[in-house]
Amino acid sequence: EAQVTQNPRYLITVTGKKLTVTCSQNMNHEYMSWYRQDPGLGLRQIYYSMNVEVTDKGDVPEGYKVSRKEKRNFPLILESPSPNQTSLYFCASKSGRLEAFFGQGTRLTVV
Amino acid sequence: AQTVTQSQPEMSVQEAETVTLSCTYDTSESNYYLFWYKQPPSRQMILVIRQEAYKQQNATENRFSVNFQKAAKSFSLKISDSQLGDTAMYFCAFMRGSQGNLIFGKGTKLSVKP
Repeated sequence: EAQVTQNPRYLITVTGKKLTVTCSQNMNHEYMSWYRQDPGLGLRQIYYSMNVEVTDKGDVPEGYKVSRKEKRNFPLILESPSPNQTSLYFCASKSGRLEAFFGQGTRLTVV
Repeated sequence: AQTVTQSQPEMSVQEAETVTLSCTYDTSESNYYLFWYKQPPSRQMILVIRQEAYKQQNATENRFSVNFQKAAKSFSLKISDSQLGDTAMYFCAFMRGSQGNLIFGKGTKLSVKP
């Protein structure tokens, strides 16, 4: 089954404690992206990757890091999380002009 | 930079009625794609419908259809015979060319009432 898998689905952490949200896709898509969703703001892009070893900033990259060492994986790293990064996070992948496939979402709370 | 505007934060409709969700976008590109995604309470993002800008014919998927007005840069979604399961957030999205990023509007929360 074609899918994008994010882990964990839910995470509560404390300010400053490094964390990683994993994202994996099994569709051999070149493009992958991370979004955060906040009430009233829709989905805003954090980082995206057009291919392996190629990443670029989206609209809200501050406080986040990504890496794309292999095609299927695109982890999102928060080196020092802060409460304003409390949000719902989505990973997505797509191939060319076709629609994007989304992960199940990760609800992150930073206290 | 491209922008996507959804001017209706919330809407409601009676079951079996028809509702139209608005979306406008701003771009100088000629080759692009437009999408409507549905996000039910389960949080899953589900593609509803897609429109290629070079196609004049409006896309249709069962009860869902779009009114694509390229000159006006408008891309509204019409839901016919609304069902309780249509209750969800709806996001309009724009993609430049065939490799571009997806840019989302802020969403419209639709409630279908029995």
